[in-house]
Amino acid sequence: KAGVTQTPRYLIKTRGQQVTLSCSPISGHRSVSWYQQTPGQGLQFLFEYFSETQRNKGNFPGRFSGRQFSNSRSEMNVSTLELGDSALYLCASQGEEDYTFGSGTRLTVV
Amino acid sequence: GIQVEQSPPDLILQEGANSTLRCNFSDSVNNLQWFHQNPWGQLINLFYIPSGTKQNGRLSATTVATERYSLLYISSSQTTDSGVYFCAVEQYDYKLSFGAGTTVTVRA
Repeated sequence: KAGVTQTPRYLIKTRGQQVTLSCSPISGHRSVSWYQQTPGQGLQFLFEYFSETQRNKGNFPGRFSGRQFSNSRSEMNVSTLELGDSALYLCASQGEEDYTFGSGTRLTVV
Repeated sequence: GIQVEQSPPDLILQEGANSTLRCNFSDSVNNLQWFHQNPWGQLINLFYIPSGTKQNGRLSATTVATERYSLLYISSSQTTDSGVYFCAVEQYDYKLSFGAGTTVTVRA
């Protein structure tokens, strides 16, 4: 079966710009969550969606937002990019039990 | 929030050696998973193991939920086992909390 698909794989943006990342979960999975990985902070939870509803949100500023569509695909948006937003952004899809992660989007802010 | 501590932070092994990675967590959990992060950044799911013992080839894992720890065993290590191993837990709140990881280096 197809895994979790994240696009794009790499992205370079300038400070002040905004960015949208996409995640398609495993077919049939309705839960999608997002994580940020940086060398200094490790892996941190951003938010989780289930059937288009956000069920939990991490401690990130309002510049970070997300949404989920009726086909379970999810997008996250970061507005007014800062240098500190440079990170690997990982999306996870959850079925009955375990989480499966995508390959991630590596965002560099210059 | 829940605290997840992994030890050791770094592990250097000779090919063929066995090793044990540990994960301690500070509260009860409904989900515990072990992941291996490959060089491209993807988290590969090794085990879903909120309790009990599981084995998959040269890897096995044990979680003692009542004592709030989990162990990942790597036997007959190979260079392809190198990478960062993460333990992550969930507390019925739809999010995973990760440990800082154990970086494993297997030398030929």
